Amino acid sequence: QLVLTQSPSASASLGASVRFNCTLSSGHSSYAIAWHQQRPGKGPRFLMKVNSDGSHTKGDGIPNRFSGSSSGSERYLTISGLQSEDEADYYCQTWGTAIVIFGGGTNLTVL
Amino acid sequence: QVHLVESGGGVVQPGRSLRLSCAASGFNFSTYAMDWVRQAPGKGLEWVAVISYDGNYKYYAESVKGRFTISRDNSKNTLYLQMNSLGVEDTAVYYCVSDKVWFGELIQWGQGTLVTVPS
Repeated sequence: QLVLTQSPSASASLGASVRFNCTLSSGHSSYAIAWHQQRPGKGPRFLMKVNSDGSHTKGDGIPNRFSGSSSGSERYLTISGLQSEDEADYYCQTWGTAIVIFGGGTNLTVL
Repeated sequence: QVHLVESGGGVVQPGRSLRLSCAASGFNFSTYAMDWVRQAPGKGLEWVAVISYDGNYKYYAESVKGRFTISRDNSKNTLYLQMNSLGVEDTAVYYCVSDKVWFGELIQWGQGTLVTVPS
């Protein structure tokens, strides 16, 4: 069964870097995923697609300080030079045969 | 600039029906697959349904299969979600979203419309 697992929360200081992980279920390590950001009270926004080889394609207007990477069944989103506006929920998303799956989301607190 | 604007949400009694609409602009709507994604209050994102660019293929989450119907009118650049037999568990903000490719990353999100089914 295709499942995405995310840590529920993370925190980091202004100006620091933070890395989120999204784990694909067993047997699905070749799958690409997408990262989405949802600021408080807003709709989600597509950040990037991350492939199994670590290559990533960002959405329009996404700053350079957002990057993606991969290792085995793990997909990562790294934000460097944290800003207060980065405080949000971050969701990973993938897709299979006739289904779209979201991870449970990670809530980022910027200290 | 891409715009997806949902409408049609509101308070609806259990067992009743509601139809959501999503008006698209700023891109070639008729060439993109489209999805509905929902978010219950305080919860994460849940995919609801997808429709192919031409409307010929549709898939649904198990939680809504048989109750919800996704459709589109490419002449009006509009996506729909017909929701029947609504229950308390359907209370959520419903987002209209476009796909990069058929079953791929979701790339453009609307602002959402709230559907409330009171207990």
